Amino acid sequence: EADIYQTPRYLVIGTGKKITLECSQTMGHDKMYWYQQDPGMELHLIHYSYGVNSTEKGDLSSESTVSRIRTEHFPLTLESARPSHTSQYLCASSETGGLSYNEQFFGPGTRLTVL
Amino acid sequence: AQRVTQPEKLLSVFKGAPVELKCNYSYSGSPELFWYVQYSRQRLQLLLRHISRESIKGFTADLNKGETSFHLKKPFAQEEDSAMYYCALRIQGAQKLVFGQGTRLTINP
Repeated sequence: EADIYQTPRYLVIGTGKKITLECSQTMGHDKMYWYQQDPGMELHLIHYSYGVNSTEKGDLSSESTVSRIRTEHFPLTLESARPSHTSQYLCASSETGGLSYNEQFFGPGTRLTVL
Repeated sequence: AQRVTQPEKLLSVFKGAPVELKCNYSYSGSPELFWYVQYSRQRLQLLLRHISRESIKGFTADLNKGETSFHLKKPFAQEEDSAMYYCALRIQGAQKLVFGQGTRLTINP
């Protein structure tokens, strides 16, 4: 079934740890995105990718990094987690053209807490 | 800079009453606007987009370029409409979306 998967769904980790948030999609989409969302606030785009080996920083500055080695996979990495990274991270994807043109499909999110 | 403003963080109406969720945008180009919705314990999903000019679940939204608004309306609210609603702007020529802060809509029985 076509879907977007994010793991883990919840993560509590100590300061200074390296973490990777996974995002995979079986939608066949070429574009993928990472958003950061604090409770009750708007979504802020932190990274996006228009295809394999293409990554760009979003509107909100983030200390995280991303990679896009495979079309379906778009992991986000924090080399050294800090309490200020505590937030919800949403992954999304979209396709170029087609009936759902410009519609972004969202994953379930990862809620990260850094102690 | 591009911006989307949803002035109401919380909106509460009674079942059967009309509902309007406000959205204003700031953008000098040709906008493409969306409404996304997140029901309790569900993912964020597209509700409607202005270019489709469609009614989804009884909701409609009209783009008013003069007032730079894209308000979401429904004539008779239902309890299942309770959710978080986000207005979003796609910048011309880009795939990125700029989101508003969201409005939590509660429909009281």
